[in-house]
Amino acid sequence: GAVVSQHPSWVICKSGTSVKIECRSLDFQATTMFWYRQFPKQSLMLMATSNEGSKATYEQGVEKDKFLINHASLTLSTLTVTSAHPEDSSFYICSARDLAGVNEQYFGPGTRLTVT
Amino acid sequence: AQSVAQPEDQVNVAEGNPLTVKCTYSVSGNPYLFWYVQYPNRGLQFLLKYITGDNLVKGSYGFEAEFNKSQTSFHLKKPSALVSDSALYFCAVRVDTGGFKTIFGAGTRLFVKA
Repeated sequence: GAVVSQHPSWVICKSGTSVKIECRSLDFQATTMFWYRQFPKQSLMLMATSNEGSKATYEQGVEKDKFLINHASLTLSTLTVTSAHPEDSSFYICSARDLAGVNEQYFGPGTRLTVT
Repeated sequence: AQSVAQPEDQVNVAEGNPLTVKCTYSVSGNPYLFWYVQYPNRGLQFLLKYITGDNLVKGSYGFEAEFNKSQTSFHLKKPSALVSDSALYFCAVRVDTGGFKTIFGAGTRLFVKA
């Protein structure tokens, strides 16, 4: 089946620094990718939807200047958490939509971000 | 508004017994319904989906779910639970209203006791 990878799987950074998370669709082209955030014991909250070659669409309440999303190719989207603070610590999951195949949505394994 | 409800935070069941994880939904139009499972510090794994057709959907690892339009429910079931089924289960509905968005329920934690 289709595989979505994320890198890194976990990262620890200091408050005030920026961290980039990569999301790749390994064996299919993803014109649309989604970024979710998940707090402990809670559901996934959609942060933004990114379409290849265009600006991301952010959900209400998500700061686009803080969570920079780039979807430069059909297989790669990146999420950069800028000037990270401890409250940004969370589990970030990306997902990619396989438009050419069965129009399914596949999820990455997630990235655990801890801001100290 | 589109929404998904999982009324139980946690379900406890003994190994070998049948299990049910409940899900109800509220959408306009025809729903695309999904179940996903999440193990600790992992992403979501697809279990099964309902798009159209037979109301009883069979999925991975022996799980199945029944679409009930009149009750707007899509409960996840398994005839005989395994300890390894212990995980967090999410029901989700996809809406395709000019965009493509998946809405997740709050999740239900399943504990299967040996």
